[in-house]
Amino acid sequence: ETGVTQTPRHLVMGMTNKKSLKCEQHLGHNAMYWYKQSAKKPLELMFVYNFKEQTENNSVPSRFSPECPNSSHLFLHLHTLQPEDSALYLCASSQDPGTNTDTQYFGPGTRLTVL
Amino acid sequence: GEDVEQSLFLSVREGDSSVINCTYTDSSSTYLYWYKQEPGAGLQLLTYIFSNMDMKQDQRLTVLLNKKDKHLSLRIADTQTGDSAIYFCAERRGSTLGRLYFGRGTQLTVWP
Repeated sequence: ETGVTQTPRHLVMGMTNKKSLKCEQHLGHNAMYWYKQSAKKPLELMFVYNFKEQTENNSVPSRFSPECPNSSHLFLHLHTLQPEDSALYLCASSQDPGTNTDTQYFGPGTRLTVL
Repeated sequence: GEDVEQSLFLSVREGDSSVINCTYTDSSSTYLYWYKQEPGAGLQLLTYIFSNMDMKQDQRLTVLLNKKDKHLSLRIADTQTGDSAIYFCAERRGSTLGRLYFGRGTQLTVWP
């Protein structure tokens, strides 16, 4: 248990559906991250939020829409996804990305399958 | 950017030592990390090393850092079947505060 929870753990959706992934951290951290993990590829950073403000969008398609209402919660809204978007979506949090000693802690991930 | 490189697979017998190697890309990287991912789970931080250190030991884990060659290794002593997992190397590059660059992961299989 790392203090970062994600729901749902598994999600199957059609290409026309709209769904949302949720992440919550109980560590008192200020920054939250979304990563995409596909088979045989390095983890891909998607978004970074620091103090609820988006500080990085790594050229992610607009069919992925993040939302960070406060420092403890992060959402990823999904709509009109493609089968190639099927992957494990990992959330992480850290105390302060502006420092070299900052360490990221990951949640268990949501396994997404797009039909 | 350039990739962090790791071998994809490693198999060892239970009780032997495992050594997982990683080559990172940025000589000014400040921190280097090892994460473990068990099946169906997220990434668990195992250990990390600051760039001004050559070695760090934590129980069965030993991390060695060769800055000249930009080479990082993770040695697991007395490897157990429960150590079977994917191990990811990650670097925090000097110019990108807050961003980690990960390798593709090494699948460690421990045979009884």
